[in-house]
Amino acid sequence: QVQLVESGGSVVQPGRSVRLSCVGSGFTFNNYAMHWVRQAPGKGLEWVTLISYDGSNKHYADFVEGRFTISRDNSKNTLYLQMNSLRTDDTAVYYCARGVVSLITPGYWGQGTLVTVSS
Amino acid sequence: EIVLTQTPLSSPVTLGQPASISCRSSQSLVNSDGNTYLSWLQQRPGQPPRLLIYKISHRFSGVPDRFNGSGAGTDFTLKISRVEAEDVAVYYCMQATRLPLSFGGGTKVEIK
Repeated sequence: QVQLVESGGSVVQPGRSVRLSCVGSGFTFNNYAMHWVRQAPGKGLEWVTLISYDGSNKHYADFVEGRFTISRDNSKNTLYLQMNSLRTDDTAVYYCARGVVSLITPGYWGQGTLVTVSS
Repeated sequence: EIVLTQTPLSSPVTLGQPASISCRSSQSLVNSDGNTYLSWLQQRPGQPPRLLIYKISHRFSGVPDRFNGSGAGTDFTLKISRVEAEDVAVYYCMQATRLPLSFGGGTKVEIK
């Protein structure tokens, strides 16, 4: 069955960096677009970024402002999110998600990894 | 950016009774390919989101048939025909018609 497992969340100081990873299994990873979606504590869902199946196209939410970079290594079935210049309002659970069939609609979600930005 | 507005914020429901959630979009969600990429997700306490419905009314794999989506253009509805205890959750609408993807603010379904 489809599994997505995120890792890399931690407590970091404002202005520092962190890299999240998401390993996919149970499906052909290089066939699907992948997302990162975040959820601040007690808040709703917020889309962060999307990468196409082959990594050639990337899209970001405006609030990213050039600070985050999505990438993937299809040989390792792994999705990444490099987060730089972190701010306190980036504190959230970060979920990776896979599209449904040929759609970009996020259909399969990981359990999430918590990033806490605090001094 | 497309803004999705959900109502109500909270819906207390008696077990076995129906529940209905509305999602209104700030612009039409009809894509240039003719499809409408409006979805509904369920998030139970302490769990990641789970896709229930995509393209307005298509039930995702394993979703019970008491969950039904409808609507068109800018107005959409999720209906639970008979609420069960396991349906206690926050429900979100989401659009994937235009980037950036966006979510509604969420509706909490709870038991009276």
